[in-house]
Amino acid sequence: QKEVEQDPGPLSVPEGAIVSLNCTYSNSAFQYFMWYRQYSRKGPELLMYTYSSGNKEDGRFTAQVDKSSKYISLFIRDSQPSDSATYLCAMISPSYGKLTFGQGTILTVHP
Amino acid sequence: SAVISQKPSRDICQRGTSLTIQCQVDSQVTMMFWYRQQPGQSLTLIATANQGSEATYESGFVIDKFPISRPNLTFSTLTVSNMSPEDSSIYLCSVEEETEAFFGQGTRLTVV
Repeated sequence: QKEVEQDPGPLSVPEGAIVSLNCTYSNSAFQYFMWYRQYSRKGPELLMYTYSSGNKEDGRFTAQVDKSSKYISLFIRDSQPSDSATYLCAMISPSYGKLTFGQGTILTVHP
Repeated sequence: SAVISQKPSRDICQRGTSLTIQCQVDSQVTMMFWYRQQPGQSLTLIATANQGSEATYESGFVIDKFPISRPNLTFSTLTVSNMSPEDSSIYLCSVEEETEAFFGQGTRLTVV
């Protein structure tokens, strides 16, 4: 079993839709959770970062963490074609100190 | 935030040859990280490069196959040696500032 599982998609939605991206994990030592966005032919860039259970909002993006269920989500409201990218969840445990990534979900938002 | 320049951005190589990927950071950093991103797979850490010491390799990666240099605090290279088609992948270098990781744009390698 992989430490982090992420549905690779691809996911195709119309402009304006609400997008839900999800990851599950098995290692309860993970304490910090991140979402990265990767455009084609670019490196990943940090989108959201959180370390506690609950929700964190940043504009159209909401990161949700449920440590009891070992489940994290990223919601994108009013999705735009410019949101088309691969989204990777990542997490880190203080003891291991290295990022563990999900396999990424390919999202396409069509006009 | 760190700015990372990585080159080449892409290359097509013959099997059995080697390719060296360069990574330049605009600030001094203690550790630099090298990742591999295979199609449909998550980013996998290859090794951590510290200036002045040998790189630390993750399980499944060895120095003979992926030699790394770290001559100073702003530069590192990763060599993919004796390439086979299975080495076709995107290779990324990365640095961390506090808990945020910054990545180069990646090197897309195709081995034929």
